[in-house]
Amino acid sequence: DGGITQSPKYLFRKEGQNVTLSCEQNLNHDAMYWYRQDPGQGLRLIYYSQIVNDFQKGDIAEGYSVSREKKESFPLTVTSAQKNPTAFYLCASSIRTDITEQYFGPGTRLTVT
Amino acid sequence: GDSVTQMEGPVTLSEEAFLTINCTYTATGYPSLFWYVQYPGEGLQLLLKATKADDKGSNKGFEATYRKETTSFHLEKGSVQVSDSAVYFCALVPNNAGNMLTFGGGTRLMVKP
Repeated sequence: DGGITQSPKYLFRKEGQNVTLSCEQNLNHDAMYWYRQDPGQGLRLIYYSQIVNDFQKGDIAEGYSVSREKKESFPLTVTSAQKNPTAFYLCASSIRTDITEQYFGPGTRLTVT
Repeated sequence: GDSVTQMEGPVTLSEEAFLTINCTYTATGYPSLFWYVQYPGEGLQLLLKATKADDKGSNKGFEATYRKETTSFHLEKGSVQVSDSAVYFCALVPNNAGNMLTFGGGTRLMVKP
């Protein structure tokens, strides 16, 4: 089955530690995205990538980093510089960035204490 | 800038009741409009979309009409089921902006038997 996988579903870290969230897709999509969702709020774009080895900052990139070494993979690192890292993180992909439909993964809930 | 405003939830209905979730937007030109649904613990799924004024998107009994004159895209369903309980997000993609989604805050729907 084609789709987007995110792992793990739940992640716990101590404050001051970097943590990397995984996102893999087998849809052969060029574009991939990372969003953050906070309770009662909509999604906010962290980073996106239109093609391998290229990515751009979204609206709230501070404290995050990404890489796109393979078409299938777009990992997100939440660094210790992110002031409020506890949130639900969603990865998405689309065929291209000029195609409007995005497909979402199941999300990773990160809790930092 | 572009923005999406949704009615605050939760919206609580009895099974078979009529549903309306209001969504209004601010954007220049003619954005594309979307409704996404998020079931508990899952990622987002595209529910329906409309790409030009007066278009009606529909799926699974849900409908929404793109109203340019009132800048609205209200979601409706004639008879809700318990399985419709979820969070619904209205979103837009600005005209000529690829597919960078701007989301509303989400509206939680709870349907009771």
